[in-house]
Amino acid sequence: QVKLVESGGGVVQPGNSLTLSCAASGFNFNSYDMHWVRQAPGKGLEWVARSSFDDERREYADSVRGRFIISRDKSKNTVFLLMNRLGRDDTGTYYCARGSFTSGWSWGQGALVVVSS
Amino acid sequence: VLTQSPGTLSLSPGERATLSCRASQTISFNYLAWHQQKPGQAPRLLIAGSSTRATGIPDRFSGSGSGTDFTLTINGVEPEDFAVYYCQHYDSSPITFGQGTRLEIK
Repeated sequence: QVKLVESGGGVVQPGNSLTLSCAASGFNFNSYDMHWVRQAPGKGLEWVARSSFDDERREYADSVRGRFIISRDKSKNTVFLLMNRLGRDDTGTYYCARGSFTSGWSWGQGALVVVSS
Repeated sequence: VLTQSPGTLSLSPGERATLSCRASQTISFNYLAWHQQKPGQAPRLLIAGSSTRATGIPDRFSGSGSGTDFTLTINGVEPEDFAVYYCQHYDSSPITFGQGTRLEIK
């Protein structure tokens, strides 16, 4: 079955960088778009970024464009989110998700990022 | 923009829940999903393509709608159904979620 495992979360100071990883298994990684979605404490879901199945298209929410970079390593079935110039508004749980137009999304368990001095 | 209503729905177990999601523009191919989230857990897909239940989702959950108006219905709410429900469009970027409907025990 689809399994997505995020890692790399933690506490980081404002202005610094952090990279999240999401290891995928149970499906053909090269056939699916991959997404990052975040959730601030007590708030709703916010889409962050998308990598197309072939990694030729990368799209971002306005709130992170120019600071965050999504990428994928086909050899390791892993998608990454490099987060630069982090601010306190970036605090939250970051979820990796597999996108599918036909069957909908599958979610990882999430990684907590806390931006604090 | 996706607008969900009501913000909070208070029901007793066994009652029917009707959750609404309205889009500010037509959603192509009915690429509208519903997700359930319980405290401390990741979201879980319930419905994709407006009306197709995800694998393992009980048939008391049903989705309907097209264009800009969509509905999630829970026929006979069970104790484990009390949670927050989000609608989501995934036809094009930026992908957006509704603000959520909290289903609480009356």
